[in-house]
Amino acid sequence: AQKVTQAQTEISVVEKEDVTLDCVYETRDTTYYLFWYKQPPSGELVFLIRRNSFDEQNEISGRYSWNFQKSTSSFNFTITASQVVDSAVYFCALSEESGANSKLTFGKGITLSVRP
Amino acid sequence: DTGVSQDPRHKITKRGQNVTFRCDPISEHNRLYWYRQTLGQGPEFLTYFQNEAQLEKSRLLSDRFSAERPKGSFSTLEIQRTEQGDSAMYLCASSLEQGSSYEQYFGPGTRLTVT
Repeated sequence: AQKVTQAQTEISVVEKEDVTLDCVYETRDTTYYLFWYKQPPSGELVFLIRRNSFDEQNEISGRYSWNFQKSTSSFNFTITASQVVDSAVYFCALSEESGANSKLTFGKGITLSVRP
Repeated sequence: DTGVSQDPRHKITKRGQNVTFRCDPISEHNRLYWYRQTLGQGPEFLTYFQNEAQLEKSRLLSDRFSAERPKGSFSTLEIQRTEQGDSAMYLCASSLEQGSSYEQYFGPGTRLTVT
């Protein structure tokens, strides 16, 4: 069965600090997809990134970067120079190729608070 | 607005009543998902449709829950004889998938409170 673990529950930083959100996953599939979603106080989940299991290249998008390491089954998310608007709950999620419906299995989320 | 929409946004009901939620996916998306999110937890999969066919239901979906997607467009989720444990945020998502997994776009959710 697939599982996503986000061991950190709450993180508080001061604006402009860098912060890394950890994600560890378990799956028996060789083909799978990893996602990060942001849930701001308004409640709507916002898609941030999707990676497939064959692409271990790290990705950078503005202040956001993602580090995918199959050897440790981790898909960590770093926010550089954090801003107050980054305050939200961040979810890591997994879907398996063999599951035809591509349902997402989410972690419990990490609440990030960025203080001015 | 061309995103996923859900109606109502909030619903308060008394235990034992029936409730129905609606989800309108992004128009060209052929897959539609329902998830449930309780406080402090990540969303949990309930069921999914490919076009009008309901192809999988989670064990979380008891017999009191039923979902439909007539004509492969909007979907409804009905809960009969609501219980306090049904209180949660019900999220709908849609995606356009042709084989591999693609990102799911979520609606704003319907927050259900059962008193």
